Amino acid sequence: GIQVEQSPPDLILQEGANSTLRCNFSDSVNNLQWFHQNPWGQLINLFYIPSGTKQNGRLSATTVATERYSLLYISSSQTTDSGVYFCAVLSGSRLTFGEGTQLTVNP
Amino acid sequence: SAVISQKPSRDICQRGTSLTIQCQVDSQVTMMFWYRQQPGQSLTLIATANQGSEATYESGFVIDKFPISRPNLTFSTLTVSNMSPEDSSIYLCSVPGGEGNIQYFGAGTRLSVL
Repeated sequence: GIQVEQSPPDLILQEGANSTLRCNFSDSVNNLQWFHQNPWGQLINLFYIPSGTKQNGRLSATTVATERYSLLYISSSQTTDSGVYFCAVLSGSRLTFGEGTQLTVNP
Repeated sequence: SAVISQKPSRDICQRGTSLTIQCQVDSQVTMMFWYRQQPGQSLTLIATANQGSEATYESGFVIDKFPISRPNLTFSTLTVSNMSPEDSSIYLCSVPGGEGNIQYFGAGTRLSVL
């Protein structure tokens, strides 16, 4: 099956800092999504981005499908950005998740 | 987008018992998915629930342990049977919708087995 790798596994930032999270995938995909899982376990859709670049406030994402990677940028981080960020790819009807990046933003 | 209601939000259960988790969607969907997230781990697909047919289970998951019902196009249940502490996880349902089959998730059921 398709492999999804995320890096870094853990990231600690001071409030106000910027960061880049990476997602590599091993095969062509129909869909790529970024999620934020808050401390209560809820998965929040951030981006649907099979290719190209999208921005939503302080967050933006870029997927280069031909090179099989996606990047999630977080600018001016806030403590509320803390949690786990997952990349997930859809191949056929199956959604496969990466292992996630645990982000901690300290005040 | 799809609005998904999942119940219960959390439960603490005794080993050997069973728990049924409900997932209700605000629109009709062909497929519903059930995931498990063990502590500190990523999400793993348990099975795909199609209305009118038996669920399709992923490798490592069996119907006797995780029976699934799908009585109509807006509702599904997942039962965790004969629970052990290793079943302590977050269980989530999801449905596809909209552009590119974006996957939407319920808020999850946090299960602890003593």
